[in-house]
This record gives sequence, structure tokens and C-alpha cells, in this order.
Amino acid sequence: SQQGEEDPQALSIQEGENATMNCSYKTSINNLQWYRQNSGRGLVHLILIRSNEREKHSGRLRVTLDTSKKSSSLLITASRAADTASYFCATPPSGSARQLTFGSGTQLTVLP
Amino acid sequence: DGGITQSPKYLFRKEGQNVTLSCEQNLNHDAMYWYRQDPGQGLRLIYYSQIVNDFQKGDIAEGYSVSREKKESFPLTVTSAQKNPTAFYLCASSMGTGSAGELFFGEGSRLTVL
Repeated sequence: SQQGEEDPQALSIQEGENATMNCSYKTSINNLQWYRQNSGRGLVHLILIRSNEREKHSGRLRVTLDTSKKSSSLLITASRAADTASYFCATPPSGSARQLTFGSGTQLTVLP
Repeated sequence: DGGITQSPKYLFRKEGQNVTLSCEQNLNHDAMYWYRQDPGQGLRLIYYSQIVNDFQKGDIAEGYSVSREKKESFPLTVTSAQKNPTAFYLCASSMGTGSAGELFFGEGSRLTVL
């Protein structure tokens, strides 16, 4: 059962531009996480935002969470070609303490 | 280096054969997970284990089996009952109990059925 869903499915930008990806989810959550996956590799955790937080920063990453709209956004500022990857949001479904469910991801391409 | 090791990276199987994917972690994490990823799609949970000698089915457990005899190891067997096993398989682990925390992933195993 899919909890989070990313939008857009694909995004292509020029190096130096900002990239914004959105995630919508269905039920109440304790936290929401963003992961990155380079082609053919495992996922790497980027950032976790708790339900009582509205915004969080990590380097060039900024994540927002709006629990009233059940949505989150990931902003990558001053993008680089090395940021080219798929980005997934993940949430623990309601009633589950240990599982994360992932959306289908946003494929970001940063053109040099 | 602490982390999760999956092997083999690439695996080919003939129809009707069982195959076992290895997943080992040295992070001292309690929980381990197996996910399946199909091209252009997200991850779907196959099985997870919160403690040694215990595991739970995920969303797509049919045709798969697991064991958790040691804290460090969580092998996945893809049985002949799995009708469409060609996919990218990802193992992950996390520490602690309570609300889901950060997952640490291996580099994946790509299974192709010939």
C-alpha cells in the first residue's frame, strides 16, 4: 500500500537552478523522510522531518512539511550535475511502527 | 567500514530454480528489511524483521521466504513460486524501536530470470 507519492515524476533543469519536488501522503504520520538513489545503486537517506516540524535544512537541501495538507517538499538549491538521481519520499503508514513505504520517486536530471 | 553488504550484485536464474540473496550488516541494527524495485517504480516491502528469529510479511511476500537466525544476517530466498522475479532487490536496516527511523540500504542485487 503506497503512502507517499512524488510529483513531478521527472524534472530536468540546468546546473545552478533550484529543483523542487513534492510529496503527498494519505494518513497521519510521525515523520517523513527523503531518500536519494543514483541509477542502479542503493538508496541514501537525505533528511527526516518530524510531524511537529515545519521546515528543516541540510546543506543545499530544504524540506518543508505541511501536515494540514499532508504534503512535503524537497528543495535542492544551486543544483549540480552530481545531483542527478531519483528522489523518494517515505513515510511510516498509520499504525505501523517499523515499516516505511516509498513513493514512485522523482527522476531529477541536472544538465551541465 | 560499517554498512550493509548484499551479494551477489548480479544473479541469473533459470525458471523453476530457487535463489538466495545474501544481506549482512555490521551496524548492530535490530531491524532489517527486504524491498523489491521494478524499473521506474518505487520500493515495495517484501519482508521485515525487528528481532532475531522473528519476521513479518510485507506487501508482496508471496513467492519469497526469509530467515533471521543471526542479528547480522537476513537472507532472502526467491522461490520458483514467484511468478515474476526479475527485479532489483534492496536490503536495508534500521536501529531501535518505536517510530520508523532512518533506513540504511545495501547496494542491491539485480536478479534476472532467463
